[in-house]
Amino acid sequence: SQQGEEDPQALSIQEGENATMNCSYKTSINNLQWYRQNSGRGLVHLILIRSNEREKHSGRLRVTLDTSKKSSSLLITASRAADTASYFCAFSSGSARQLTFGSGTQLTVLP
Amino acid sequence: DTAVSQTPKYLVTQMGNDKSIKCEQNLGHDTMYWYKQDSKKFLKIMFSYNNKELIINETVPNRFSPKSPDKAHLNLHINSLELGDSAVYFCASSPLTSGGAETQYFGPGTRLLVL
Repeated sequence: SQQGEEDPQALSIQEGENATMNCSYKTSINNLQWYRQNSGRGLVHLILIRSNEREKHSGRLRVTLDTSKKSSSLLITASRAADTASYFCAFSSGSARQLTFGSGTQLTVLP
Repeated sequence: DTAVSQTPKYLVTQMGNDKSIKCEQNLGHDTMYWYKQDSKKFLKIMFSYNNKELIINETVPNRFSPKSPDKAHLNLHINSLELGDSAVYFCASSPLTSGGAETQYFGPGTRLLVL
């Protein structure tokens, strides 16, 4: 399975600033999802965007999907120290029931 | 109540030993997964079971054998442990879908260290 690529690998910002993470993939997808992983914990689902959607919001999260560029971005607005975590994109393609995960972005929000 | 639980949380063992990791989900999901996360946080699917039947088996050494006694449980048995098996192993579950993968719910992980 092909891995998704995320950039940046690491991002450090001040509390209150916005954080943007990008994900690129190489296949046609059914949907793309974003997960958060706090240090030493399991992954937590944040948001799912389907291939026929272009933008989705959930609280302070905004996800965009550009299937022509095979890319997605996750924007966290008004970041908080508690947002410090690793963020992963994951996508499914074809009839596969598995997710292929990106390489992750480590976000650090400084108080 | 914990949705997806794994035991043990930490596992330290010697090379050559055999060990098992247990996973249980109380979400009523039909599909369960095992993932391996390496030291660089790269997450790779190992196995997937749907209603006790194996549906995904990625290129994993046959020293790893999943066992699903019922659809709420998916255990992972590892024979002849090697140093390279040291990683964090995550169990996950998701509801059955007609195609594609939906939201997955992850357990807290089992940190395996092989000495």
